[in-house]
Amino acid sequence: GQNIDQPTEMTATEGAIVQINCTYQTSGFNGLFWYQQHAGEAPTFLSYNVLDGLEEKGRFSSFLSRSKGYSYLLLKELQMKDSASYLCATNSGGYQKVTFGIGTKLQVIP
Amino acid sequence: GAVVSQHPSRVICKSGTSVKIECRSLDFQATTMFWYRQFPKQSLMLMATSNEGSKATYEQGVEKDKFLINHASLTLSTLTVTSAHPEDSSFYICSARTGINQPQHFGDGTRLSIL
Repeated sequence: GQNIDQPTEMTATEGAIVQINCTYQTSGFNGLFWYQQHAGEAPTFLSYNVLDGLEEKGRFSSFLSRSKGYSYLLLKELQMKDSASYLCATNSGGYQKVTFGIGTKLQVIP
Repeated sequence: GAVVSQHPSRVICKSGTSVKIECRSLDFQATTMFWYRQFPKQSLMLMATSNEGSKATYEQGVEKDKFLINHASLTLSTLTVTSAHPEDSSFYICSARTGINQPQHFGDGTRLSIL
């Protein structure tokens, strides 16, 4: 089966850096997604990691270690609009099934 | 970028009504679309995978006679909640991807409220 763990809530200060961790256990792992979801809205795609290492995309970076079953999303220069839930999701199996974690609700405070 | 359109965005109806939700890929063809349900403060739960021209694949515990899925073309999938009851009230979201190992792009979701 699939098992994805991430913290349920985090708080960080505007302008700061925050790291959201995700650990997973899955068979047939293909890659790992990060999505952002504002309250009452659908998720929007942030990143997809297939290989080990860090991928940077503007203020957001995502890291993957396949051997450790671990990923993190790094948000720099936090803005108030970054307050949202961040969903970690694994892509696994030949049918490319995507399974979502419960999400980390990030609150950015002034 | 890939755009997925979903409507209606909100439905309020009486118990026993059947509700149809449409999901369209606007600028790409999607042989596979996905239907999710999300209850408040919970994660997205995959209900079924919609396959163009064939039967949908339902996740364990999802009643296929209750949630009818039709994927008649490469750009349209529909989910019909038949004889909806208050416990079916939820946020339903569809998604599609442009290809293998590509991210899923989500529609804006449909908030269904059954009175």
